[in-house]
Amino acid sequence: RKEVEQDPGPFNVPEGATVAFNCTYSNSASQSFFWYRQDCRKEPKLLMSVYSSGNEDGRFTAQLNRASQYISLLIRDSKLSDSATYLCVVGGSGNTPLVFGKGTRLSVIA
Amino acid sequence: ETGVTQSPTHLIKTRGQQVTLRCSSQSGHNTVSWYQQALGQGPQFIFQYYREEENGRGNFPPRFSGLQFPNYSSELNVNALELDDSALYLCASSLGQGLVNEQFFGPGTRLTVL
Repeated sequence: RKEVEQDPGPFNVPEGATVAFNCTYSNSASQSFFWYRQDCRKEPKLLMSVYSSGNEDGRFTAQLNRASQYISLLIRDSKLSDSATYLCVVGGSGNTPLVFGKGTRLSVIA
Repeated sequence: ETGVTQSPTHLIKTRGQQVTLRCSSQSGHNTVSWYQQALGQGPQFIFQYYREEENGRGNFPPRFSGLQFPNYSSELNVNALELDDSALYLCASSLGQGLVNEQFFGPGTRLTVL
């Protein structure tokens, strides 16, 4: 089982749609969880951290389920500018590096 | 922009050659991590430098080596290049010694090995 697995893409959705990405991780000792966004041929940028209680930032909501070792990202009211690859990132304790998933590509269509 | 810069932006080498990639961290950041991102994959951790010492290493062979300088800038050196080394090499800076701190990425160096 891969350390971090994400939904295979691509997701093609119309503007205004709600889209959800899922991610599972294999290391039950993982402590840090993030979603990064990567535009085509650009560097990854932090979208949001994921907390046990779940967190929301505008149209974006992240959830963590430690029991199922599962992370999700929900995007509401999709915009054209949301088109990108979304990377699920998981970290263990401070002495183990971040592990990135392969990413899920989202295309929002007018 | 993150303030992390990398050079060069693109590079073409042949098998067996050696390459040095450079990174300047964001102002105030004392930690630099290097990642390799192959096409269609997520970034893979190569190693991290904190205060000029290697602070963690991923599953990469010894021909991948690095340095960090007193001003916290860093170099990634790859010897005996192989075709599979073709990838985007990302440098990320962060504050503090932890490997799981928020990473601020530079634009990357795209290396092609022929």
